[in-house]
Amino acid sequence: DGGITQSPKYLFRKEGQNVTLSCEQNLNHDAMYWYRQDPGQGLRLIYYSQIVNDFQKGDIAEGYSVSREKKESFPLTVTSAQKNPTAFYLCATHRGYTEAFFGQGTRLTVV
Amino acid sequence: AQSVTQLDSHVSVSEGTPVLLRCNYSSSYSPSLFWYVQHPNKGLQLLLKYTSAATLVKGINGFEAEFKKSETSFHLTKPSAHMSDAAEYFCVVTVNTGGFKTIFGAGTRLFVKA
Repeated sequence: DGGITQSPKYLFRKEGQNVTLSCEQNLNHDAMYWYRQDPGQGLRLIYYSQIVNDFQKGDIAEGYSVSREKKESFPLTVTSAQKNPTAFYLCATHRGYTEAFFGQGTRLTVV
Repeated sequence: AQSVTQLDSHVSVSEGTPVLLRCNYSSSYSPSLFWYVQHPNKGLQLLLKYTSAATLVKGINGFEAEFKKSETSFHLTKPSAHMSDAAEYFCVVTVNTGGFKTIFGAGTRLFVKA
């Protein structure tokens, strides 16, 4: 089955801790994206990558970091610099002018 | 600049009545337009898409949308709402500005009453 796998589904972070969210795809798409979703605010772009070993900041990149060492993988690290990380995180791929494909999301909660 | 406006943050309908979710866009480029649905704690699922072919687009689960260039609109409709349609719906625009740029609307929450 082709698709996007995000893990874990639920993640809890302590204050001052870095955590990494996984996103893997087997759709052979070049472009991958990370979005943050907060209640009533739609989706906001954190980072995106159009090609391996290259990535760009989105609208709300502060406190986050990414890597793109393989086409299939685009992990997102939520660092301790992100002051309000509790949110639903969605990973997506895109193939040019066609639709985006989304993973099932990771819900991150600060405890 | 490109933008997407979903005109209603919440829409409430009774089961069996029509659904209308409104979306207007602004773009200097020829857009591709999409509607996605999101159920609680899930990813987004594509309902339908317009990519410069027929202006009336049919999607899954009985939804359809009409691209009206003169009105810069792409409203989503369904003749008869079902309880399972209750979800959040996103209107999305993609344009080619030298690289592809995707803009999401803020979402419309659809409530369906029995």
